[in-house]
Amino acid sequence: NAGVMQNPRHLVRRRGQEARLRCSPVKGHSHVYWYRQLPEEGLKFMVYLQKENIIDESGMPKERFSAEFPKEGPSILRIQQVVRGDSAAYFCASSPQQLTGELFFGEGSRLTVL
Amino acid sequence: KQEVTQIPAALSVPEGENLVLNCSFTDSAIYNLQWFRQDPGKGLTSLLLIQSSQREQTSGRLNASLDKSSGRSTLYIAASQPGDSATYLCAVRIQGAQKLVFGQGTRLTINP
Repeated sequence: NAGVMQNPRHLVRRRGQEARLRCSPVKGHSHVYWYRQLPEEGLKFMVYLQKENIIDESGMPKERFSAEFPKEGPSILRIQQVVRGDSAAYFCASSPQQLTGELFFGEGSRLTVL
Repeated sequence: KQEVTQIPAALSVPEGENLVLNCSFTDSAIYNLQWFRQDPGKGLTSLLLIQSSQREQTSGRLNASLDKSSGRSTLYIAASQPGDSATYLCAVRIQGAQKLVFGQGTRLTINP
C-alpha cells in the first residue's frame, strides 16, 4: 500500500526558472491538498483539488502559482518565475471522498531558489 | 476565520514523564481533528484522528481528547521516550471548506 508519493524530494532552481512538483495520492483517494511550510513557520493551506477540478484555491498566491489534478496522472503544483521567497517545503496530502476522512501527507518537496 | 493555537511552543522533559500538549481552535464547526508528528526535514505522520462526535481516541501510549464546545484538544503522551522527540501538530478540518487548518506546533524534546 503506497502512501502519498511526492517528487522530486529536493529541487534547486535559479530565480526566474520554473518549478514543477508532483504528487501521487494514496490509491483510491480522489481529494488532493497542497500545503506550504516556510522555514520556522507552520503549514499553510494552498489549494484543494478533486479530479480535474480546483475546489478551493484561496491559499494560492494570485500570480505565478498554479495547480492541477488531471483525470490521469499525478497532481502538479507549478511555480513560474521562482523567487527566493518561494523557497520552502511543499507538502501534498490526500484523503478519501468522505468529509470525515483522514488526511495522509507525503514526505514533501523541498524547493531551494538560488 | 478558524485559528488554531498550540501551547506550549516548545517543551523539554526528562525521559519517562507523562506529558500533555494543548491545542485550541476558535470555531467549533469542524468535521474532525488530527494530531500529527513531524520529524526535522521530514513529512507529517498522522497519529490520531478524532471525529467531531467523539470525545477521545487512543493509540498505544498516546491519548487525544476533544471538547468541541470549548474548542480544545489535548494530546497525552505516557511514559515519554527519547524517540518521541519531534514537533507535534494539531489540525482541524473545517466544515464547508474541508481543508485542514494547522496550529504552529509544539516542539517536544525528551531528554535521556
